[in-house]
Amino acid sequence: NAGVTQTPKFQVLKTGQSMTLQCAQDMNHNSMYWYRQDPGMGLRLIYYSASEGTTDKGEVPNGYNVSRLNKREFSLRLESAAPSQTSVYFCASSELWGHLNYGYTFGSGTRLTVV
Amino acid sequence: KNEVEQSPQNLTAQEGEFITINCSYSVGISALHWLQQHPGGGIVSLFMLSSGKKKHGRLIATINIQEKHSSLHITASHPRDSAVYICAVLYSGTYKYIFGTGTRLKVLA
Repeated sequence: NAGVTQTPKFQVLKTGQSMTLQCAQDMNHNSMYWYRQDPGMGLRLIYYSASEGTTDKGEVPNGYNVSRLNKREFSLRLESAAPSQTSVYFCASSELWGHLNYGYTFGSGTRLTVV
Repeated sequence: KNEVEQSPQNLTAQEGEFITINCSYSVGISALHWLQQHPGGGIVSLFMLSSGKKKHGRLIATINIQEKHSSLHITASHPRDSAVYICAVLYSGTYKYIFGTGTRLKVLA
């Protein structure tokens, strides 16, 4: 099925460990995004890639890095995980940058716990 | 205070009830979206509004730009409507979205 695929679905890390969250879309979308969702807060944009070859910081980029590997794939890396990064992470993609109405599609989320 | 406020935060209803979820915002916007987040985590877009009212099946969304307020109504609610409903607004003149914290709806059979 067409859509956004995120891996892994669940992960537990120890403080200081590193990991990469993978995201791939097969809809030929130009723009991709990483969000985090925390209790009592709305989705917050971490990083985005408006088009292949570009990446930019969102609202809460500290502690994260991203790579737009090709048009399909956009990965999020935590170099040294901290408990404050315990969250649910969503990858999303859209045909046009910033337009929720242009086929904006979310992945099913990665639940990350940092202990 | 969040720039996008949703109410109620949690809602439990009996099957068949008419449900209203509210969204208020404090900034100038060019569009408002209602999203549905399923218990498994997946998020789907339900509506985009810039004025007036839209209907899709049992779902109706309205927006009052002057009052900076939107409502999502569900008629004849069903247990499969149980989800978190999220309001997101697009700041005027930008591509920046602000998301509400969501309303968790549970519909009992």
